[in-house]
Amino acid sequence: EAGVAQSPRYKIIEKRQSVAFWCNPISGHATLYWYQQILGQGPKLLIQFQNNGVVDDSQLPKDRFSAERLKGVDSTLKIQPAKLEDSAVYLCASSTQPWTEGSGANVLTFGAGSRLTVL
Amino acid sequence: RKEVEQDPGPFNVPEGATVAFNCTYSNSASQSFFWYRQDCRKEPKLLMSVYSSGNEDGRFTAQLNRASQYISLLIRDSKLSDSATYLCVVNRGTGGFKTIFGAGTRLFVKA
Repeated sequence: EAGVAQSPRYKIIEKRQSVAFWCNPISGHATLYWYQQILGQGPKLLIQFQNNGVVDDSQLPKDRFSAERLKGVDSTLKIQPAKLEDSAVYLCASSTQPWTEGSGANVLTFGAGSRLTVL
Repeated sequence: RKEVEQDPGPFNVPEGATVAFNCTYSNSASQSFFWYRQDCRKEPKLLMSVYSSGNEDGRFTAQLNRASQYISLLIRDSKLSDSATYLCVVNRGTGGFKTIFGAGTRLFVKA
């Protein structure tokens, strides 16, 4: 089974520039997540999709971050304009189980991540 | 207060030692629990699920205490290859489904 694919693996930009990250989840996985992981911290959920609908984007800085999953398969996360504090690894993950209220059980498979450095 | 809290460590132990990590969660609606392992500059990977009755996978034992809202991971006979960051993960299935990660506990196993 192919894993979660992400690109680019590394990106260096200057502040106020824009950047986009792409993720292709495991085939058949309905739920897709974008996490931000700053060095020394645990992953922080930015946005969660179920098929092409947003389940949770409460921690997404919507003034500069946007994400879409138009056909319910791959997804793009964009940052515009970038700030120094956006330097982090952006992890995409997917899971096989669709979200249902009260289900709880949900194991995530992560991609290798996209490492962003903002100068 | 963070919803999932872990001691960041680092824990420095010799090979063969037994080491235990704890994790506390604040939301009583949390429903399922996991330990993930993250190697340096790699993505997190599932280590094991945590069941209410406790569960074991080789040298690893996970326990859940719902009353006190904490999860533990015990590693016996530590190997050099166990050196990693161990992330406590909590799923909340009500009030908005979320998978929440702790900040992780770093473990260094030395020869």
